[in-house]
Amino acid sequence: GESVGLHLPTLSVQEGDNSIINCAYSNSASDYFIWYKQESGKGPQFIIDIRSNMDKRQGQRVTVLLNKTVKHLSLQIAATQPGDSAVYFCAEPSGYSTLTFGKGTMLLVSP
Amino acid sequence: DGGITQSPKYLFRKEGQNVTLSCEQNLNHDAMYWYRQDPGQGLRLIYYSQIVNDFQKGDIAEGYSVSREKKESFPLTVTSAQKNPTAFYLCASSISAAAHSYEQYFGPGTRLTVT
Repeated sequence: GESVGLHLPTLSVQEGDNSIINCAYSNSASDYFIWYKQESGKGPQFIIDIRSNMDKRQGQRVTVLLNKTVKHLSLQIAATQPGDSAVYFCAEPSGYSTLTFGKGTMLLVSP
Repeated sequence: DGGITQSPKYLFRKEGQNVTLSCEQNLNHDAMYWYRQDPGQGLRLIYYSQIVNDFQKGDIAEGYSVSREKKESFPLTVTSAQKNPTAFYLCASSISAAAHSYEQYFGPGTRLTVT
């Protein structure tokens, strides 16, 4: 989602629910995408990646879906836990070795 | 333990002073990056280096300078010319620019406050 200044898009879920975080990307030629998780006051951590020759990739409790037709990525987190509360960023290549990061979505998990 | 270290975690400076943020990695990565993050915002690229003794400006390089004299180290200087230096600064590294390895590994960040 797009940034609204100081306010990040926020998704609030109950513990145990499934979460879906969305990301629109801009470059139809992008061939690789990454999802990062950033907990408050810490650096981002890699969650999962996907190449453009795939539509879906699964990790542990996470699934990334890629829809190249509409340039859309989603991150699905199964059985969301309080420890999943964080800001989630998608990223795509922007140059030879650089990434462009989305504005981020805050996930809040209540017990 | 392999990883990226940034120090200090919190840094306070008076306006008009230059300040240098440290970033060290022992992952044997060729490429290193500096990002700035403001509240509620994504990461914006300041400078990056694909190899020792070489670096390129990112999207918001004005008011910053870097050096890459050693593979392990990529210090960032926030100069007095930077108009809004208060922010959270993140350093990252990746295996090799030549390998088109885009996955970046991040340090814990330095929160700089300038008053």
